[in-house]
Amino acid sequence: EAGVTQSPTHLIKTRGQQATLRCSPISGHTSVYWYQQALGLGLQFLLWYDEGEERNRGNFPPRFSGRQFPNYSSELNVNALELEDSALYLCASVYSRVYNEQFFGPGTRLTVL
Amino acid sequence: AQSVTQLDSHVSVSEGTPVLLRCNYSSSYSPSLFWYVQHPNKGLQLLLKYTSAATLVKGINGFEAEFKKSETSFHLTKPSAHMSDAAEYFCVVRDSSNTGKLIFGQGTTLQVKP
Repeated sequence: EAGVTQSPTHLIKTRGQQATLRCSPISGHTSVYWYQQALGLGLQFLLWYDEGEERNRGNFPPRFSGRQFPNYSSELNVNALELEDSALYLCASVYSRVYNEQFFGPGTRLTVL
Repeated sequence: AQSVTQLDSHVSVSEGTPVLLRCNYSSSYSPSLFWYVQHPNKGLQLLLKYTSAATLVKGINGFEAEFKKSETSFHLTKPSAHMSDAAEYFCVVRDSSNTGKLIFGQGTTLQVKP
């Protein structure tokens, strides 16, 4: 069974640009969570998508947004990039109910210059 | 609000000696607690989870953790460290709301010396 996949592995952008990160969940999983792992700030919850809808977001500005597609894959968009957006972005998928285990992908390393 | 505190940012052990990574939690409810491991340039892997069944939880790779409500602790242990155990370890609590989001501790870097 294939795990959670994320693309690209690395992404380099300049300040003010937009970044798009992608996540494919495990087959059959309908919920996707996004987390940011920034140096010095630890791992923080960003967004939760379930059944195609945004269900909850963490304490991040609106320039962090995303969507979930009918096949349950997800996209995270970060607009007007700032230097402090440099981080590892992790995606996790869950089968159906939120009380099940979250399976994590390898992450996308975003560097903002 | 729920939270977890990892008491050591860095732990160093010799190969073959026991490992103890400490975690305290804060929760108004019966918590769901996890330990995840992250090897360099890798995603997170679940080591073990506590969900109000047995208080002593066994995980993968010889790790185990004991839930102690009186001490609000969930420490991770392993009898004998291997070089491959060197990694970042995260103690995690699941948010009690219906979001299911995970709340992470700051992480403990485990160094294993030969």
